[in-house]
Amino acid sequence: EAGVAQSPRYKIIEKRQSVAFWCNPISGHATLYWYQQILGQGPKLLIQFQNNGVVDDSQLPKDRFSAERLKGVDSTLKIQPAKLEDSAVYLCASSRDSTYEQYFGPGTRLTVT
Amino acid sequence: AQSVTQLGSHVSVSEGALVLLRCNYSSSVPPYLFWYVQYPNQGLQLLLKYTSAATLVKGINGFEAEFKKSETSFHLTKPSAHMSDAAEYFCAVTAPGEGRRALTFGSGTRLQVQP
Repeated sequence: EAGVAQSPRYKIIEKRQSVAFWCNPISGHATLYWYQQILGQGPKLLIQFQNNGVVDDSQLPKDRFSAERLKGVDSTLKIQPAKLEDSAVYLCASSRDSTYEQYFGPGTRLTVT
Repeated sequence: AQSVTQLGSHVSVSEGALVLLRCNYSSSVPPYLFWYVQYPNQGLQLLLKYTSAATLVKGINGFEAEFKKSETSFHLTKPSAHMSDAAEYFCAVTAPGEGRRALTFGSGTRLQVQP
């Protein structure tokens, strides 16, 4: 079974620019998560989708971050405009409805200069 | 609400020695607990999970963890360290029975294995 796919793997942008990350979850996984992992810290949830509906976005900085999951499969996370403190690894994970096990993609490392 | 505390941001052991990585949790409901491993420039890989069945949980690569409710702990152990175990390890907690299934992670413990 193919794992969670993410692209790009690396991205360098200047502050105030915009950026988008893409995630394709494991086939059949209804739940999709975006986490932010700042260097030296554990991942922190940004948003959780169940199919194409949002379950939890309480920690998403909505003034600059947005996410969507069209058709309940792929998802895109966008930052506009980026700040220096957004430099982090953005991890996408997915899980089946029936379990709590989450499977993570390789992440996108964002550097904001 | 849940939280996780991992004691020791860095742990160094000799190859063949016991590995012990500490995790304490806080949860308002009986929790589910997980250990993940992260190798450089990779995502997180599930090592093992506790989901209210047996309190001693065995995972991949020879790791195991014991859920101790009285101590609110879920420490990760491996009898004999290998060089390939060098990585960052994260303990995580979630509250079962809620729609919000997101994991709350600790800050991680970097394991070094000396030859």
